[in-house]
Amino acid sequence: DQQVKQNSPSLSVQEGRISILNCDYTNSMFDYFLWYKKYPAEGPTFLISISSIKDKNEDGRFTVFLNKSAKHLSLHIVPSQPGDSAVYFCAASEAGGTSYGKLTFGQGTILTVHP
Amino acid sequence: NAGVMQNPRHLVRRRGQEARLRCSPMKGHSHVYWYRQLPEEGLKFMVYLQKENIIDESGMPKERFSAEFPKEGPSILRIQQVVRGDSAAYFCASSRLTSTEAFFGQGTRLTVV
Repeated sequence: DQQVKQNSPSLSVQEGRISILNCDYTNSMFDYFLWYKKYPAEGPTFLISISSIKDKNEDGRFTVFLNKSAKHLSLHIVPSQPGDSAVYFCAASEAGGTSYGKLTFGQGTILTVHP
Repeated sequence: NAGVMQNPRHLVRRRGQEARLRCSPMKGHSHVYWYRQLPEEGLKFMVYLQKENIIDESGMPKERFSAEFPKEGPSILRIQQVVRGDSAAYFCASSRLTSTEAFFGQGTRLTVV
């Protein structure tokens, strides 16, 4: 059962425009959500996170939005840069349970930003 | 401050051999997590360890796989009698506390031939 889903396998965006990556989840016990970025042959790099008590968290060019009622979150990157081209993973944890390190990942979305 | 260190980066084993994957957490981190990424899939949680304790091994296959995080030294993920289906990227992550984000190493790519 895929508890965290990223339904878009890939996304192509022009440099300078907004990139919007989407993620849906089914487990209502998830209360902490993270986005990771991954380059080929490297480990995932933490980008930004959000607790379920918030609906928005912003860090520079990256903003994560959480809609608990829809069990949906999105990552906005503005403006997009070619260096943002990578695989983006959405992840969730039951922070009230074991720990933030035990994560359930989506399948990933390949973002390509064209110059 | 060095990040999470995994070695080897690449490991080739013949079917039936043993594979040992090592993970040294970031300095000051006492929580270690192992994940596996099969081709074309996301990362899947395997096991969560603290020093000398396995906290959660709900993602570990029941047979052939084991993990440890001794008082001294790196965490070890051990796969006995490897099969072709074990070929994957294995990632280790560490965190300082349970309530902080985990940081990942670069992974070990295991190929079983």
